Amino acid sequence: NAGVMQNPRHLVRRRGQEARLRCSPVKGHSHVYWYRQLPEEGLKFMVYLQKENIIDESGMPKERFSAEFPKEGPSILRIQQVVRGDSAAYFCASSPERGGPDTQYFGPGTRLTVL
Amino acid sequence: KQEVTQIPAALSVPEGENLVLNCSFTDSAIYNLQWFRQDPGKGLTSLLLIQSSQREQTSGRLNASLDKSSGRSTLYIAASQPGDSATYLCAVRLGYGQNFVFGPGTRLSVLP
Repeated sequence: NAGVMQNPRHLVRRRGQEARLRCSPVKGHSHVYWYRQLPEEGLKFMVYLQKENIIDESGMPKERFSAEFPKEGPSILRIQQVVRGDSAAYFCASSPERGGPDTQYFGPGTRLTVL
Repeated sequence: KQEVTQIPAALSVPEGENLVLNCSFTDSAIYNLQWFRQDPGKGLTSLLLIQSSQREQTSGRLNASLDKSSGRSTLYIAASQPGDSATYLCAVRLGYGQNFVFGPGTRLSVLP
């Protein structure tokens, strides 16, 4: 059983470039959550998606950030025109449909460095 | 708005000691609470999940308790080992399917 997979594990971008982070949930899971961990801080919720739908994006910055979870393929967190303050570890978690164990399974994270 | 705090922020103990990590949350109407471990540069490993109706959970040398009314949880680690050195995160959820609200973590160092 493969767990949550994230790629790339490390990503370096220059200011103004775009960053695309991918998350493949546990097979059969249809709920995906993205969290951000700034240096020396705890994880902060960004967005919650189900297949083809954004359920809760209350933690996501209004500008430059977007997320999707298409019917086929991984979930994508996209950051446009990155700035140094976007440097952080981005974690994806997945959970199954209602009725299964109510927890989230976390991926290893993508560490984004903005130069 | 739910806020989660953890005390202490960092802890250093000699090997073999029993220790307690504390977690507090402001809104007692939680759905469940989970303790995670995070090693430097790595992802999260789930340690213990306590549902709101439960008072404690145990796994090996770990025991987590939950007191919803006072908004507190403790993680007890018995006979600590150097391999226990990591950051321990407490997280709560307010409802089924909702996101976690994380505390800032306690950085534990167990010295051989």
